[in-house]
Amino acid sequence: KNQVEQSPQSLIILEGKNCTLQCNYTVSPFSNLRWYKQDTGRGPVSLTIMTFSENTKSNGRYTATLDADTKQSSLHITASQLSDSASYICVVRGGSGGGADGLTFGKGTHLIIQP
Amino acid sequence: DSGVTQTPKHLITATGQRVTLRCSPRSGDLSVYWYQQSLDQGLQFLIQYYNGEERAKGNILERFSAQQFPDLHSELNLSSLELGDSALYFCASSVSRLAGPNTGELFFGEGSRLTVL
Repeated sequence: KNQVEQSPQSLIILEGKNCTLQCNYTVSPFSNLRWYKQDTGRGPVSLTIMTFSENTKSNGRYTATLDADTKQSSLHITASQLSDSASYICVVRGGSGGGADGLTFGKGTHLIIQP
Repeated sequence: DSGVTQTPKHLITATGQRVTLRCSPRSGDLSVYWYQQSLDQGLQFLIQYYNGEERAKGNILERFSAQQFPDLHSELNLSSLELGDSALYFCASSVSRLAGPNTGELFFGEGSRLTVL
């Protein structure tokens, strides 16, 4: 069964600190993995996409990694800001069957940045 | 701005009632998806339409139905509402070509917050 597990479920850190969010998946065959940021009460917005051949990709203070062998991805946030407070959702595309173009969603990590 | 428009933004109604949520996808996107997000829960896939046809169905209740019109806008109909239907309902769109490159990026609207009293 295609599954995407994210950890931690929630995280509180102080402004200026770094943090790393984890995403483990069992989706096979794998097509790509995308991280979305969802501000409270808003729709998710894509941060970055990782394909099979990519190990690391940065988008400003956000750096995503992918280990296709262990089926793990991480999202590292550097020098956190109050505006980083949001839910971060890992979405994996691939696999057979399933709904919505083979997209499997994680439940998200709820990140709170405290001043 | 994602380019996806959802109306209404907020809706308060009573149990047993029926509501319709509307979604206009990004210009040129053929696929529309509906998701439900209850308080502190993840996004639950409800249904997908591609160019007017139902393409995939998720955990959508029989009391719920949707359609996509020739101009590609979509409506989600929720009937016999229960307290547990209170949630944020998101519409998303994508190019979703049936063949060729498709990164699968979804563009989400701002959501319709439904409160059932």
